[in-house]
Amino acid sequence: ETGVTQTPRHLVMGMTNKKSLKCEQHLGHNAMYWYKQSAKKPLELMFVYNFKEQTENNSVPSRFSPECPNSSHLFLHLHTLQPEDSALYLCASSQPLAAVPEAFFGQGTRLTVV
Amino acid sequence: QKEVEQNSGPLSVPEGAIASLNCTYSDRGSQSFFWYRQYSGKSPELIMFIYSNGDKEDGRFTAQLNKASQYVSLLIRDSQPSDSATYLCAVTPSGGYNKLIFGAGTRLAVHP
Repeated sequence: ETGVTQTPRHLVMGMTNKKSLKCEQHLGHNAMYWYKQSAKKPLELMFVYNFKEQTENNSVPSRFSPECPNSSHLFLHLHTLQPEDSALYLCASSQPLAAVPEAFFGQGTRLTVV
Repeated sequence: QKEVEQNSGPLSVPEGAIASLNCTYSDRGSQSFFWYRQYSGKSPELIMFIYSNGDKEDGRFTAQLNKASQYVSLLIRDSQPSDSATYLCAVTPSGGYNKLIFGAGTRLAVHP
């Protein structure tokens, strides 16, 4: 596999459920990100990890809990979510300080909270 | 004030025309500027990157940057129906070399 892979692609969960989103990158990058994309709103940066360390938490509610066990894997643990948390959750990776520090995105997880 | 602003559109252009997409940003210290294309139901993909004032051309795409005016644009020449997508402007803020701040995107529709 190449690029950035996210699983699952679609997830429906109740407000009392606990679920996790998984992201894996095969690009050798050292930075990984979680973004939230809601309809007609900008991509919202949620978390940034550099070399497995969290370097940014963009005021994300504690019902979202990220985990980065190594530079290739990133998880987003979800619990007691609200219907307004329904959105497309995108994982991305990049190589900071590269000549072109672009972010490569996974295909996203479409989350619906019922 | 929004950090990165784009007209949501839709911008409708005929096939073969030039599509002009605009973006303004609030952080004067922003370093790098990106244009991503996102097809419906897909993830964003990079099409242009620019960090110096002026124009940068890549095939049918030209990015234009004016840091004094805090303005970046994307021109698409000879627009094709396959160019119909949402175009996202993203900037790297000052002191944030490894994160991107996105605009809400402009939806482009190229009609035959």
